[in-house]
Formats: sequence, structure tokens, C-alpha cells
Amino acid sequence: EILMTQSPATLSVSPGERATLSCRASESVSRNLAWYQQKPGQAPRLLIYGASTRATGIPARFSGSGSGTEFTLTISSLQSEDFAVYYCQQYNNWPPLTFGGGTKVEIK
Amino acid sequence: EVQLVESGGGLVQPGGSLRLSCAASGFTFSSYWMTWVRQAPGKGLEWVANIKEDGSEKYYVDSVKGRFIISRDNAKNSLYLQMNSLRAEDTAVYYCARERQLGPRGVFDYWGQGTLVTVSS
Repeated sequence: EILMTQSPATLSVSPGERATLSCRASESVSRNLAWYQQKPGQAPRLLIYGASTRATGIPARFSGSGSGTEFTLTISSLQSEDFAVYYCQQYNNWPPLTFGGGTKVEIK
Repeated sequence: EVQLVESGGGLVQPGGSLRLSCAASGFTFSSYWMTWVRQAPGKGLEWVANIKEDGSEKYYVDSVKGRFIISRDNAKNSLYLQMNSLRAEDTAVYYCARERQLGPRGVFDYWGQGTLVTVSS
């Protein structure tokens, strides 16, 4: 099973600032890495797949990078609606499909 | 518009059974892999099981193998999760999700709102 580790667990950021979230895989997942956003009481939403491809309707301020075992999600200028929990997920080697533990982006 | 609506959650005693349903609309259901993902209260996401378009392939996380069965009825545009021998650790919101049609399997592009399963005496 591929373990996904996200850091930090919580990120405090002011609106308008840049946020950088990290995700590490226990072995290479190539670029088969997705990012999801989840707001309280809501279902997750797909943001990024293929490590860097934005899903339909996702604003350009969200960008993904990385390959192999190290990945980054960057939110260039945080908007009020971006405060949420973000999960990475690998789909390179499954079953099982595995998620990271999440990074909560909160208002500083 | 793609819609996924789960139902069937509730309170069940340890050792009991429950069947979840997911009604799909707004897309050609029979052309997509489908998945169940769960989230324990206050915890992260855990993939549970998925099923191929025609139901010929099914995969499970180890913790539910032998207890849960994923199935689908393409004529009814519905996905199911039969959960048997339920344990307290199965308590979670269960989400139905569609997998992206293009590219590798395992990317979830649409999600339902979830149904809560509580296993407790």
C-alpha cells in the first residue's frame, strides 16, 4: 500500500497570500496524483489530476506540480472561499487507492 | 448536470447489515467506473471499493474485504454497497463518486453529498 503524507497539517494564511501545500508518497506514483478540496459539511471536489492538470472549472490560482514522490499544491492568492481542507490522492498503484491525511488551510 | 444521490444510511448495531444506494443522473452511468469513499467523523478520506462499467471487476480496501459488496444496476443507473458484519470503525459518511472516464482509473470527478452510517449499540 502506498502511504501518502501531507504537510503541514494546518496552514494559517492571510487572504491574498500564497499557500503552498506538500504531499509525499512512500514510493513513486509517477504523475498519478490528484488534489481535492473539501469544505465543512460538503463533499470533496476535484481540483487537480495528473499532478498538474486543473479539473473543469477550477480557477487558475490553483496549480499543482511534482512527480515521483514529491508534490505541491499552490494557491497563488488565497480567496475567502479557499479556506478548506485539501487532500492528495495517488492512483498509480492500486488497490488500494490512497489519500493523504489532509491539510487544513485556515485564516490567519 | 451530473448528480449522485446516496441513500440508505442510518444507525445499525455492531454485526448488523446495511445497504447503501447511489442514484446517478446527468451522464451515461454504464460508461463509468464508480467508487465508494468514506470519511469517519472528523477524519480524512478512505477509499472503500470500486467497480468497472459493466460490473465485471470489483476492488476493495482490505479492511472491508469479505464484509462489503459493491454492485451496480446499469438499467437503473444505480450503485450499491452491501455492508455486512458492521463494526464501530465502519462509522462514517459514505460518498458515492464517479471516476474520470479518460486516463488512468482512480480519479474522482463527481461526488454525491454522502450518507451517514453509524454503527453503535
